[in-house]
Amino acid sequence: DSGVTQTPKHLITATGQRVTLRCSPRSGDLSVYWYQQSLDQGLQFLIQYYNGEERAKGNILERFSAQQFPDLHSELNLSSLELGDSALYFCASSPPTRYSETQYFGPGTRLLVL
Amino acid sequence: AQKVTQAQTEISVVEKEDVTLDCVYETRDTTYYLFWYKQPPSGELVFLIRRNSFDEQNEISGRYSWNFQKSTSSFNFTITASQVVDSAVYFCALSAQGGSEKLVFGKGTKLTVNP
Repeated sequence: DSGVTQTPKHLITATGQRVTLRCSPRSGDLSVYWYQQSLDQGLQFLIQYYNGEERAKGNILERFSAQQFPDLHSELNLSSLELGDSALYFCASSPPTRYSETQYFGPGTRLLVL
Repeated sequence: AQKVTQAQTEISVVEKEDVTLDCVYETRDTTYYLFWYKQPPSGELVFLIRRNSFDEQNEISGRYSWNFQKSTSSFNFTITASQVVDSAVYFCALSAQGGSEKLVFGKGTKLTVNP
């Protein structure tokens, strides 16, 4: 158990819908990262937050957005869902000490868009 | 740009065999970090090791060992006396100081250990 929690574990929805994925980092970690794992694209970085502020952006679609709240939990919002958004979405967190600290991953949310 | 290549898509071995998973990386940064993660069939990503670019010492942890060679830009992972529980997808990843702290992952190597 990494200490990072993600809810829900599974999500089934329809095209055009909107969903919210939630992540709670390990105690004391200030950075939260979101990654998408799909069969064709592999594991891809989406976005990073550090202590409530956006720090880095990767290949995140405009239909996707995220935020980190004062209690440091984070939410990833996916809207106007398409079949191709079906994937495993991971959240990771890392401690605030040094650069490129180890990222510890949550169990993931498996999203299926029908 | 950073890139990680894991040329072996799938490897199948018999229990107790040794197996090496290859990882080759590309980066222009002089300071960078390399990682290995394990993804068992249950789906979670489990951290195995972190290495910085200034530390070329090989590392051994039980049946696991890692060989980091800057000259060939490789960070290979060896499992000695493999066990069925080692069956998983293994990912090599890179984080470079010149970019953000994001991890750039290889495509992964699926290891199957047969009894």
